[in-house]
Amino acid sequence: ETGVTQSPTHLIKTRGQQVTLRCSSQSGHNTVSWYQQALGQGPQFIFQYYREEENGRGNFPPRFSGLQFPNYSSELNVNALELDDSALYLCASSLAPGQHNEQFFGPGTRLTVL
Amino acid sequence: AQTVTQSQPEMSVQEAETVTLSCTYDTSENNYYLFWYKQPPSRQMILVIRQEAYKQQNATENRFSVNFQKAAKSFSLKISDSQLGDTAMYFCAFLLIQGAQKLVFGQGTRLTINP
Repeated sequence: ETGVTQSPTHLIKTRGQQVTLRCSSQSGHNTVSWYQQALGQGPQFIFQYYREEENGRGNFPPRFSGLQFPNYSSELNVNALELDDSALYLCASSLAPGQHNEQFFGPGTRLTVL
Repeated sequence: AQTVTQSQPEMSVQEAETVTLSCTYDTSENNYYLFWYKQPPSRQMILVIRQEAYKQQNATENRFSVNFQKAAKSFSLKISDSQLGDTAMYFCAFLLIQGAQKLVFGQGTRLTINP
């Protein structure tokens, strides 16, 4: 059984640029959630995708967008990067909402915005 | 809105001691789950233990156990016979059963186990 994987591991961008982060869900999981974890803080929910549709969103501006593909992998896109977007971005996969609600996390992507 | 509060930013104990991490939460809902996650320096968030709100019996997983007080909205984690590998950030998290399955995390407690 393959766990949740994320790429890249680290990324450095400058203000105003755009970035795409990728996540492959655990085998058998069709739901992917994205979280932003600023340094020294707990993760904050960005959004969740279930069967290629957005299934809930946290308090993040529209420049944070996502996609889920037919194989249930997912992308997080951030446009017009700001310094405050520097954080660890975590992806978590799970079974369909309502079923065995454990979320399995990937190792994260560390984004630095200069 | 749901909130989770961890009032202990840092804790430090000697190896083999018992340590308790505190967590309180606020919700008006009745059906939810509570979790403790561990995040070692490797950054990967690992589930330690989970508790369904409808269950009165406290969850246990080997050396890890919880004290779930639903009326008080309290959910503490006890680690018995602590080991060096328990050194990590520990996050308490809340999950509503309905709607988007979003985890709401506390600020975390940095736990250090000293040899």
